[in-house]
Amino acid sequence: AQSVSQHNHHVILSEAASLELGCNYSYGGTVNLFWYVQYPGQHLQLLLKYFSGDPLVKGIKGFEAEFIKSKFSFNLRKPSVQWSDTAEYFCAVNLQYNTDKLIFGTGTRLQVFP
Amino acid sequence: EPEVTQTPSHQVTQMGQEVILRCVPISNHLYFYWYRQILGQKVEFLVSFYNNEISEKSEIFDDQFSVERPDGSNFTLKIRSTKLEDSAMYFCASSVLAGGLETQYFGPGTRLLVL
Repeated sequence: AQSVSQHNHHVILSEAASLELGCNYSYGGTVNLFWYVQYPGQHLQLLLKYFSGDPLVKGIKGFEAEFIKSKFSFNLRKPSVQWSDTAEYFCAVNLQYNTDKLIFGTGTRLQVFP
Repeated sequence: EPEVTQTPSHQVTQMGQEVILRCVPISNHLYFYWYRQILGQKVEFLVSFYNNEISEKSEIFDDQFSVERPDGSNFTLKIRSTKLEDSAMYFCASSVLAGGLETQYFGPGTRLLVL
C-alpha cells in the first residue's frame, strides 16, 4: 500500500538554525507532493506543493522543498527558522490521475526556541 | 482570504448516538473531502464528494458514515451510531478541481469525543 514516512517526529531548534524535515513516499507512479503546516490552534495550511517541472519548489514564509524522484523524497528546508515557525508539519502525497485523496505522513512537531 | 469553516469546534457524545459535523467549503470550490486524525496517528482520508455524489471513499467510510450537501453552502458528515474509536479530529477540505490536480484547503477541524 502507498505510504508516506516522516522520520523526524519531534525537532527542537534554536532561532536562526537551519531546518530540514524528511519526507519519503512509497509509490512507483507519478505523484503530486505537498507540505502542510498546522500552527497551534489553527487549521492545516499549504506551505508548498509540487506537481511537475522544477523539482526545487519555493513556498511561503521562506520554506522550500526538493523533489528527488530517485529517492522518493520531498524534504522540506528553511535556512533560518524563527520562533513563529513552531508548528506541526505534514507531508502529503496524491497519486496523480488515480485518486482525489491525500496520503499524509505522521507529522513532525517543530519547536523553535528564541 | 476565503477559508473553510467547520462547526462545532468540539463535540462530546455518548456511544451509539448520531452526530453531524458541519462544514462550509470555500464558495467557488466544487470538490469536498472529509479526513480524520485519531490522536497520535496520521491524518486519514475518509471520503471525497463531487456533483452531489461520493467520488471516492476509504475502507474507514463504512455504512455508519454518510455525507450530504443539503444546500448550496454546507457539507455535512453524519456518523449514525458513534463508537469509541470514532473519537478523532475531523477535517473538512475543499478544492476547485479534483484533489489530484489542485490544492485542498482545510478547515480548522471538529474534535469529536465519544464516551
